[in-house]
Amino acid sequence: DIVMTQSPDSLAVSLGERATINCKSSQSLLYTSNNMNYLAWYQQKPGQPPKLLIYWASTRESGVPDRFSGSGSGTDFTLTITSLQAEDVAVYYCQQYYTSPITFGQGTRLETK
Amino acid sequence: EVQLVESGGGLVQPGGSLRLSCAASGFRFSRYWMTWVRQAPGKGLEWMANIKEDGSEKYYVDSVKGRFTISRDNAKNSLYLQMNSLRVEDTAVYYCARVPSTNSWFDPWGQGTLVTVSS
Repeated sequence: DIVMTQSPDSLAVSLGERATINCKSSQSLLYTSNNMNYLAWYQQKPGQPPKLLIYWASTRESGVPDRFSGSGSGTDFTLTITSLQAEDVAVYYCQQYYTSPITFGQGTRLETK
Repeated sequence: EVQLVESGGGLVQPGGSLRLSCAASGFRFSRYWMTWVRQAPGKGLEWMANIKEDGSEKYYVDSVKGRFTISRDNAKNSLYLQMNSLRVEDTAVYYCARVPSTNSWFDPWGQGTLVTVSS
């Protein structure tokens, strides 16, 4: 199974500042035949289901604010939130869909400082 | 509007069974893979199972193989999860979600239904 490890487990950032969440996979998520990274990011607020933010490691889902961006390739990926807003307080998960079983990172809790 | 609504959760004793349902609307259900994901209280996300558009392919996480069965009824726009031999550690909120294409992310997700396994 592919193990997804996020860092840090929790993060406190001041409003208006940048937040960076890392995700590392135990094997490459880059499918060489199409040069795509099989990695998604989700946001989950308390009492709500997860919401898709990013897929293919860097493609923003329609309607997601452009302060959210994804980067990385292979085994190392990053979710960046520029200029943190109060409504961004949530738990963030990375997910690999390269192979079954599909696996998630343990989550990163983002709070305001 | 795409909508997924889970139902069927509740309190069940260890060793018991439960069948979850997920009613889909707002999209052509028969054209999408579907999935179940669970989240234990205060914990992270755990993928359970996927099912192909026509039900001909099914995949499961090892921890539920032989106990859980995913199925669908395209005529009723519904997804199901039959859970047998339930254990205390199966206690979780169970979400259904649409899989936009083969080997892809999950979007959108339903609101979830809580399953509590306890004596």
